[in-house]
Amino acid sequence: EAGVTQSPTHLIKTRGQQATLRCSPISGHTSVYWYQQALGLGLQFLLWYDEGEERNRGNFPPRFSGRQFPNYSSELNVNALELEDSALYLCASSLSDRYQPQHFGDGTRLSIL
Amino acid sequence: KNEVEQSPQNLTAQEGEFITINCSYSVGISALHWLQQHPGGGIVSLFMLSSGKKKHGRLIATINIQEKHSSLHITASHPRDSAVYICAVRPLRGATNKLIFGTGTLLAVQP
Repeated sequence: EAGVTQSPTHLIKTRGQQATLRCSPISGHTSVYWYQQALGLGLQFLLWYDEGEERNRGNFPPRFSGRQFPNYSSELNVNALELEDSALYLCASSLSDRYQPQHFGDGTRLSIL
Repeated sequence: KNEVEQSPQNLTAQEGEFITINCSYSVGISALHWLQQHPGGGIVSLFMLSSGKKKHGRLIATINIQEKHSSLHITASHPRDSAVYICAVRPLRGATNKLIFGTGTLLAVQP
């Protein structure tokens, strides 16, 4: 069974640009979660999508947005990139039931120059 | 104060030692996860607990819901166990599946 896959592995952007990160969940999983791991700050919850809808978002500005497609894959978009957006962005997926474990991808490392 | 606290922050052990990593949390939870993160970033989910104890190979995880505390034990540690171990909780309150993470414990097992 394929795990959660994220692309690209690395992404280099400059301030003010826009970044798009992609995530494919495990087959059969309908929930996708996005987390940010900035250097020295630990993992922070960003967004949760389930069945195509945004269910919850963390304490991040509106320039962090995303969507979930009918095949349950997801995109995270970050507009007007700032230096502090440099981080590892992790995607996780799970079955819809809130008591199911989350399975993580290997992440996309976003570097802002 | 963080809602999820881990100790120790850093741990160095000799190969073969028994290791314990602790996690305390201050919110009501529906589940607690132990995660392993190797250099490079990828995260592996080790355990999800809501009560009692789970064992997988040399890894054992326990949770005491009343005391809001969990421990991760590694028996007969090996250099390949070197990684960051992260405790994460799923809050009981609110219509959310989000996880709240501890800051992690950096484990180095020396041969």
